[in-house]
Amino acid sequence: QVQLVQSGAEVKKPGSSVKVSCKASGGTFSSYAITWVRQAPGQGLEWMGGIIPIFGTANYAQKFQGRATITADDSTSTAYIEVSSLTSEDTAVYYCARVGPYDSSGQSFDFWGQGTLVTVSS
Amino acid sequence: EIVLTQSPATLSLSPGERATLSCRASQSVSSFLAWYQQKPGQAPRLLIYDASNRATGIPARFSGSGSGTDFTLTISSLEPEDFAIYYCQYRSNWPPRYTFGQGTKLEIK
Repeated sequence: QVQLVQSGAEVKKPGSSVKVSCKASGGTFSSYAITWVRQAPGQGLEWMGGIIPIFGTANYAQKFQGRATITADDSTSTAYIEVSSLTSEDTAVYYCARVGPYDSSGQSFDFWGQGTLVTVSS
Repeated sequence: EIVLTQSPATLSLSPGERATLSCRASQSVSSFLAWYQQKPGQAPRLLIYDASNRATGIPARFSGSGSGTDFTLTISSLEPEDFAIYYCQYRSNWPPRYTFGQGTKLEIK
């Protein structure tokens, strides 16, 4: 069974950066994309971007291009997202998720991390 | 950019009733549509992929239909644990990009 375990909650100052980790176990990490989704308090889901570890290249939602950086370390089966120039509008729960295989999930998000709350406050 | 519009925003029903949730795309998404369920304080859970395929472990009371621009998630007979927020999601082919609808809250009447 695939498990994604994320790093703990963060409190950051406006203008700073945050880096959230997502450690995978129980599957073949490098073969599947890991994606990041965030959810502001009381709001819906927002896709940020993703990475296929075996290729190492990430793609981003236009909104986050240039401000978010997604990386992966195959040796530790861990993916990361770093978001810079934080504002109060970045306060949200950040989720990582696995993009599942086409035949059993249609490349939808079949396993999710538990979420990491990032609070941006002065 | 494709926009997904879900309706209604809130649906109030009783256990045992049938629930019908709608997701409309601003242009055709073929069958590249998924549905997720989210309960308070929890991560979303994949229910349906490619418009009509149930994900692993999802009960048969959940079904999806539609193609092109209009999609429906149906819960045939509501169980108490089904009251949650439901999101539809579109996946573009390449490069892979994803868009979520704004969600439908299914609440107990």
